[in-house]
Amino acid sequence: QKEVEQNSGPLSVPEGAIASLNCTYSDRGSQSFFWYRQYSGKSPELIMSIYSNGDKEDGRFTAQLNKASQYVSLLIRDSQPSDSATYLCAVKRAYGGSQGNLIFGKGTKLSVKP
Amino acid sequence: DAGVIQSPRHEVTEMGQEVTLRCKPISGHDYLFWYRQTMMRGLELLIYFNNNVPIDDSGMPEDRFSAKMPNASFSTLKIQPSEPRDSAVYFCASSFRTAITQFFGPGTRLTVL
Repeated sequence: QKEVEQNSGPLSVPEGAIASLNCTYSDRGSQSFFWYRQYSGKSPELIMSIYSNGDKEDGRFTAQLNKASQYVSLLIRDSQPSDSATYLCAVKRAYGGSQGNLIFGKGTKLSVKP
Repeated sequence: DAGVIQSPRHEVTEMGQEVTLRCKPISGHDYLFWYRQTMMRGLELLIYFNNNVPIDDSGMPEDRFSAKMPNASFSTLKIQPSEPRDSAVYFCASSFRTAITQFFGPGTRLTVL
């Protein structure tokens, strides 16, 4: 089983709709979860982080975490064409002395159609 | 303030040649990470440093890869000899203290013919 799994997509939604991106992880002890956005040909940029169960909202973005189900999601409300990008889920390992280890999923490509 | 700086942005070389990628982290950041991204494998951590000391190099694929950080403002990733399967985008990232929020450089696109 891969450590962090995402549906590769592409996920296509119309402008103004809600885009829902999902991620599952295998390390049950993981404590920190992140969503990065990566535009084509660009580097990843952090858009959301979440550490406890429940929802965390930031503008049009909402991250949701369910540790019992080992599931984290990202909702984008009122999707805009400028949201079209690949969204990477990242999980911080819980074990060992490697404090900096982030494990990334392969990403879900989102396309928002005008 | 300048972000993470990487050079070169593009590198095309022939199999067997030595390749050196360079990174300048954000000033004041004490963590530096080297990643490799390919379509097949996604974004993989190769190695990371804390205060110029390598902490975890378990992601370095083999002995052909080496990384150094001689001071707080400079790091190199070297591949010798390079192989076509090393073709990828290599990212450098840096962060401060907890290593949670990592800021990525623009990447170096490496093509080995």
